[in-house]
Amino acid sequence: DQQVKQNSPSLSVQEGRISILNCDYTNSMFDYFLWYKKYPAEGPTFLISISSIKDKNEDGRFTVFLNKSAKHLSLHIVPSQPGDSAVYFCAALSAGAQKLVFGQGTRLTINP
Amino acid sequence: KAGVTQTPRYLIKTRGQQVTLSCSPISGHRSVSWYQQTPGQGLQFLFEYFSETQRNKGNFPGRFSGRQFSNSRSEMNVSTLELGDSALYLCASSLGGVNTGELFFGEGSRLTVL
Repeated sequence: DQQVKQNSPSLSVQEGRISILNCDYTNSMFDYFLWYKKYPAEGPTFLISISSIKDKNEDGRFTVFLNKSAKHLSLHIVPSQPGDSAVYFCAALSAGAQKLVFGQGTRLTINP
Repeated sequence: KAGVTQTPRYLIKTRGQQVTLSCSPISGHRSVSWYQQTPGQGLQFLFEYFSETQRNKGNFPGRFSGRQFSNSRSEMNVSTLELGDSALYLCASSLGGVNTGELFFGEGSRLTVL
């Protein structure tokens, strides 16, 4: 049972344009969401997070949007840069479960 | 500040063997959690240790086990290896635990089972 789903295995975007990565979840108990970025041969690194009491969180070029009614979150990268090419994982947390549930990942490629 | 260190980085085993992976967390971090990464499945939670106690466990068979030492270093063991155990095994350390959400990952141990 995949509680966190990233339905797009890959995404290709032109440099300078907006990249939008999507994530859906099924468990309404999730109350904290995170995005991690992973380069080949490296471990994932934390990118940005959002609490369920918010619907938007921004950090430089990265913005995460949360739509609780749709159980959907998205990561926007504007403008996209070649260094953004990586695999992006969304993750969800419910405080009581003490377990971080990850999606399958989306491979983002930024084309020059 | 040294990051999370995992050893070995690569290893090849045959079916039926067992394997032990090691993880040294960031100094001062008491939580170590383990994840299995396979294509199409993403990162799947194996277990978390906090101050030498297993605090939570994912949906993996009993062949997967772990422990944590008093210096917070952790080991993960997989017995009776199967082909499907081939994966990248990642460990992550955290100051307060998985429930803080912000984990620091190692580079992983890539296991190939032949």
